[in-house]
Amino acid sequence: RKEVEQDPGPFNVPEGATVAFNCTYSNSASQSFFWYRQDCRKEPKLLMSVYSSGNEDGRFTAQLNRASQYISLLIRDSKLSDSATYLCVVNPAGNNRKLIWGLGTSLAVNP
Amino acid sequence: DADVTQTPRNRITKTGKRIMLECSQTKGHDRMYWYRQDPGLGLRLIYYSFDVKDINKGEISDGYSVSRQAQAKFSLSLESAIPNQTALYFCATSDFTGLNGYTFGSGTRLTVV
Repeated sequence: RKEVEQDPGPFNVPEGATVAFNCTYSNSASQSFFWYRQDCRKEPKLLMSVYSSGNEDGRFTAQLNRASQYISLLIRDSKLSDSATYLCVVNPAGNNRKLIWGLGTSLAVNP
Repeated sequence: DADVTQTPRNRITKTGKRIMLECSQTKGHDRMYWYRQDPGLGLRLIYYSFDVKDINKGEISDGYSVSRQAQAKFSLSLESAIPNQTALYFCATSDFTGLNGYTFGSGTRLTVV
């Protein structure tokens, strides 16, 4: 099992739609979680951290389910500008921490 | 100015040439990383450094070397470039916890012909 797994998509949705991505992780002791956004040929940028209590930032909501070892990202009222690849990232336990990156989920929002 | 600066932004080089990619940061972070990204393969870690005196191999270090010249500078060298090292290269930094994620440079697009 991969350490971090995401559905690669692509997800094609119309403007205004709600779309959700899930990501599963294998290390139950993982300590922190992130969603990054990456536009084509650009650097990944932090979209939001994912907290145990869940968190919301405008149209974006992230949830963590430790029991089932997955995190989710919900995008409401999709905009054309949301078209990008969304990377799920996990910070495993231990002192030698390096982030573990998923391969990304591709989202295309269509007019 | 960007928090993490990579130079050059684009580079075309010939097979067998030595090339250096440079990274500097103003975040004050101790930890720095070099990744390469290829279509369908995601981000793959080449080398990382947790402080100036600490250098570690990542998952794909063969054919690469690094130098941590100062807290703020971390360079990646391709000793003898080959075409399958054509990729997008990213430098990233993090604080010592890693709990706040990474900050990336804008990337270097390297083509080896």
